[in-house]
Amino acid sequence: TQLLEQSPQFLSIQEGENLTVYCNSSSVFSSLQWYRQEPGEGPVLLVTVVTGGEVKKLKRLTFQFGDARKDSSLHITAAQPGDTGLYLCAGARSSGAGSYQLTFGKGTKLSVIP
Amino acid sequence: GAVVSQHPSRVICKSGTSVKIECRSLDFQATTMFWYRQFPKKSLMLMATSNEGSKATYEQGVEKDKFLINHASLTLSTLTVTSAHPEDSSFYICSAANRGPYEQYFGPGTRLTVT
Repeated sequence: TQLLEQSPQFLSIQEGENLTVYCNSSSVFSSLQWYRQEPGEGPVLLVTVVTGGEVKKLKRLTFQFGDARKDSSLHITAAQPGDTGLYLCAGARSSGAGSYQLTFGKGTKLSVIP
Repeated sequence: GAVVSQHPSRVICKSGTSVKIECRSLDFQATTMFWYRQFPKKSLMLMATSNEGSKATYEQGVEKDKFLINHASLTLSTLTVTSAHPEDSSFYICSAANRGPYEQYFGPGTRLTVT
């Protein structure tokens, strides 16, 4: 089983602060994806990183894939209350016939206090 | 684009009855659909992978006779929870894939409560 360790599990910060969420594994993934999930809803894809060392930016969010494609981080600059939610990382691995399965981390529940 | 719908969004059923949940990809053809289960404050656990026109592949520990999956077309997959029991109460989420090799697009989920 390829496990993804996500940390921290809970994070409560003040508006304007910066934060980083980590996702680590001992296994190599074909790609790593970050999702955000609101209560009672399905996850929404934020970004997919594929190449080792890749960095992608989405406004105040910066995503990085480790050089060995085993770990990833999500950094949020100047957090806002609208960033509050559950952030999930998911690693993709081939399940054959061109399709991929996702293994999810346990998630980071972020609360940004105004 | 990449919109996935689920129906119903909430369902309450009595123990022993069966419930069918539909998952549709609205604006793309999904050769593969996935069914997940999510317990409160927990992450998503993959139940099964469904490919159009073939039998679903179930993850270890998931009873295929209890969770019947049908993927009859490139836009529709159904999950039927047979003879539901209170322990089957959960949040069931489907996803669909065909855009790019890795991305999965998730439906809004179905909250099942078995009384």
